[in-house]
Amino acid sequence: EIVLTQSPGTLSLSPGERATLSCRASQSVSSSYLAWYQQKPGQAPRLLIYGASSRATGIPDRFSGSGSGTDFTLTISRLEPEDFAVYYCQQYSSSPEYTFGQGTKLEIK
Amino acid sequence: QVTLKESGPALVKPTQTLTLTCTFSGFSLSTSGMRVTWIRQPPGKALEWLARIDWDDDKFYSTSLKTRLTISKDTSKNQVVLTMTNVDPVDTATYYCARTQYGYNSLDPWGQGTLVTVSS
Repeated sequence: EIVLTQSPGTLSLSPGERATLSCRASQSVSSSYLAWYQQKPGQAPRLLIYGASSRATGIPDRFSGSGSGTDFTLTISRLEPEDFAVYYCQQYSSSPEYTFGQGTKLEIK
Repeated sequence: QVTLKESGPALVKPTQTLTLTCTFSGFSLSTSGMRVTWIRQPPGKALEWLARIDWDDDKFYSTSLKTRLTISKDTSKNQVVLTMTNVDPVDTATYYCARTQYGYNSLDPWGQGTLVTVSS
């Protein structure tokens, strides 16, 4: 099973700042199969990025994804108040098996 | 507009069988490429994939839970059902279903989730 490790566990930033979230896989992951989700308290996760770098429908362009192999990054270029939430990366392997990272909590500093 | 909604009991006793239903609209599971996935999230913890069913009735399960899970679909009712046998308090979680994007295997959209507590 591919394990995804997200860092940092908690990221404290201010609105307007840039956020960089990391997702590292224990084995190489196809870029096509790496996604990022945002989850706010009491809500279901929402797809932000699929295929490592493609924004889902309706996602603002301040969200971007990059990376390949075992290292992937979610970047939020300029934080808005509504961006403070928990973020998860997810990968799919052909077993099939889906795994999620443990999440990064983005909190207001 | 694609929507999904989970339903099932809020409280289940240990050793019982849990049955959850995902009712969806805006797509058909008889259409080639369509897939529905179940995921759960224990309180305050991360997400865990459980099972997936495809348009062609292929079924896939989490390795760690496969002996306890069964997924099925009723295309005429636009429903996917997940059963979990022999539940334990560690199965307490919010259970979500989500449409699964063919090709990329990302999950979008998700249902609102249903909280299931396992307790005697």
